[in-house]
Amino acid sequence: NAGVMQNPRHLVRRRGQEARLRCSPMKGHSHVYWYRQLPEEGLKFMVYLQKENIIDESGMPKERFSAEFPKEGPSILRIQQVVRGDSAAYFCASSPVNLRSSSYEQYFGPGTRLTVT
Amino acid sequence: SQKIEQNSEALNIQEGKTATLTCNYTNYSPAYLQWYRQDPGRGPVFLLLIRENEKEKRKERLKVTFDTTLKQSLFHITASQPADSATYLCALGGGTGANNLFFGTGTRLTVIP
Repeated sequence: NAGVMQNPRHLVRRRGQEARLRCSPMKGHSHVYWYRQLPEEGLKFMVYLQKENIIDESGMPKERFSAEFPKEGPSILRIQQVVRGDSAAYFCASSPVNLRSSSYEQYFGPGTRLTVT
Repeated sequence: SQKIEQNSEALNIQEGKTATLTCNYTNYSPAYLQWYRQDPGRGPVFLLLIRENEKEKRKERLKVTFDTTLKQSLFHITASQPADSATYLCALGGGTGANNLFFGTGTRLTVIP
């Protein structure tokens, strides 16, 4: 059973370009979470999605960032017009249930390390 | 907003000793607390979950305690080994309105042979 998959593992973008990060949850998991980890900082929640729905985007910057989880295919985190401050590790996690209603661990992917030059 | 503090950014201990890591939190009432391990360049890996009505949980050489009055969790690794060297993260979840986990910044543990 493959774990959570993320690609690319490393992404280099110049300022002003777009970054697209992909996440395929574990088989059977319909809940996807995106986190950002800056150097020497903890994981910060960005957005929580279920298939075709954004459930909670309270941690996502209002501008330039968007996320989707289509009926078919991986979840996508999209960052438009990247700036140097977007450089970070972005992690995707999945779970089979909603964390508000059930206590359950999250399964994390290996992360995408974004570098903006 | 909720605040989660993990004691000491880094902790060095001798192989064979017990490592104790602390997680304190404020402004939040979690329904459960989790501990994760993160190795450099990798995603966090789940270790243990403890619910608010549980005092202690064990798994092999790992032990977690949860005191909701003190708002604190202790994470113990007994008979530590160099392979236990990693960053350990505590995460809170299940509080009112929360769809996600709130993570501490982690404690980097080094077990010296």
